[in-house]
Amino acid sequence: QSALTQPASVSGSPGQSINISCTGTSSDVGGYNYVSWYQQYPGKAPKPIISDVNKRPSGVSSRFSGSKSGNTASLTISGLQVEDEADYYCCSYARNGVRVFGGGTKLSVL
Amino acid sequence: EVQLVQSGAEVKKPGESLKISCKASGYDFTSDWIGWVRQMPGKGLEWMGIIYPGDSDTRYGPSFQGQVTMSADKSINTAYLQWSSLKASDTATYYCARRGESYLFDYWGQGTPVTVSS
Repeated sequence: QSALTQPASVSGSPGQSINISCTGTSSDVGGYNYVSWYQQYPGKAPKPIISDVNKRPSGVSSRFSGSKSGNTASLTISGLQVEDEADYYCCSYARNGVRVFGGGTKLSVL
Repeated sequence: EVQLVQSGAEVKKPGESLKISCKASGYDFTSDWIGWVRQMPGKGLEWMGIIYPGDSDTRYGPSFQGQVTMSADKSINTAYLQWSSLKASDTATYYCARRGESYLFDYWGQGTPVTVSS
């Protein structure tokens, strides 16, 4: 099971919107609506921000949204804030209970 | 309040065995899957596998099958990850996480750093 493909880094200015893509195959991202996204600050545990492609867990800002088309899922962060600077990981259900993570994307807010 | 509390940092030599733990509280431990995630220094998250404490049904990621063993003790609400013979390449921080609703890992432990060095 290969890791899902994410851009290594993205950047944006405060107030802007950015997108992070997550590309898999029909055996994972394309085959199930079970893509989740996690935010991680250095030295901290990951925090869930999106489940089931586009659902926000309680307490997560509405500035975070998710979508999927074919084998590619996307995370959009609108109204970028300095505190959004972190690493972001997608994760997809694959089969038989197995999951796979993306390689991670470092977001810089300039 | 749901909490996952992991055991402390470990320093081991290659070839040694190790078992780290993840103690759950605040929910029915036997009703939700617990997953394990590896993060090597400066690298991304890797999904290792998942265990259902209710019946110890376990699924391993392809890269970790045969390399680690996951287990759970329902009597003390604790999940375990163990190695029989550590390698330097096992140096990483290991996280446990609960799979809540919607296939989401909604609660995470604080991480257990493991260093394997001669």
